[in-house]
Amino acid sequence: QVQLQQSGAELAKPGSSVKISCKASGYTFTSYYISWIKQTTGQGLEYIGYINTGSGGTNYNEKFKGKATLTVDKSSSTAFMQLSSLTPDDSAVYYCARYNSGYAYWGQGTLVTVSS
Amino acid sequence: DVVMTQTPVSLSVSLGGQVSISCRSSQSLVHNNGNTYLSWYLQKPGQSPQLLIYKVSNRFSGISDRFSGSGSGTDFTLKISRVEPDDLGVYYCGQGTQYPWTFGGGTKLELK
Repeated sequence: QVQLQQSGAELAKPGSSVKISCKASGYTFTSYYISWIKQTTGQGLEYIGYINTGSGGTNYNEKFKGKATLTVDKSSSTAFMQLSSLTPDDSAVYYCARYNSGYAYWGQGTLVTVSS
Repeated sequence: DVVMTQTPVSLSVSLGGQVSISCRSSQSLVHNNGNTYLSWYLQKPGQSPQLLIYKVSNRFSGISDRFSGSGSGTDFTLKISRVEPDDLGVYYCGQGTQYPWTFGGGTKLELK
């Protein structure tokens, strides 16, 4: 069955970076884009961007340009999102999700906490 | 950006009852290819969101026919009939027609 397994929770200091992984299984990795979504209590669900897992091409929400960098390793069927120059506003749960007319499959979420 | 407005923010229902959730978009969600990429999700406590409905009215694999989606253009509705305990949580609509893709603020379904 389709699974997206994300890396564990991160505690990071302001100004630092974190890299979250999303390992896919149960389907042909390069056949579907992987999107990343941020969830906070105040802002709800926000689309960060997607990566074309075949070509590596990306689409970013303007709000997250310069903040998030999406990459992929086809050899391990894993997508990555690096968040840089972290501030407390980046504290959230981050999800990867496979999109096909809707976000049909989601990872379990990765909690990122930014605190000094 | 396309703003998605969901109403109501919260809803109380009795088991076995029926509810409707409204989702309105600030722009038409009809894509240039003729499809309308409006989806509905349910997030249960402590879980990731799960897809219920895609392209307005198509139920995702394994989703009960108690869930139905309708609407067009900028005005959409999710109906849940014969509400069961497992239906409780927060419902979101989301659009995939215009970048950046956006979501509604959510509707919390609780037991009366």
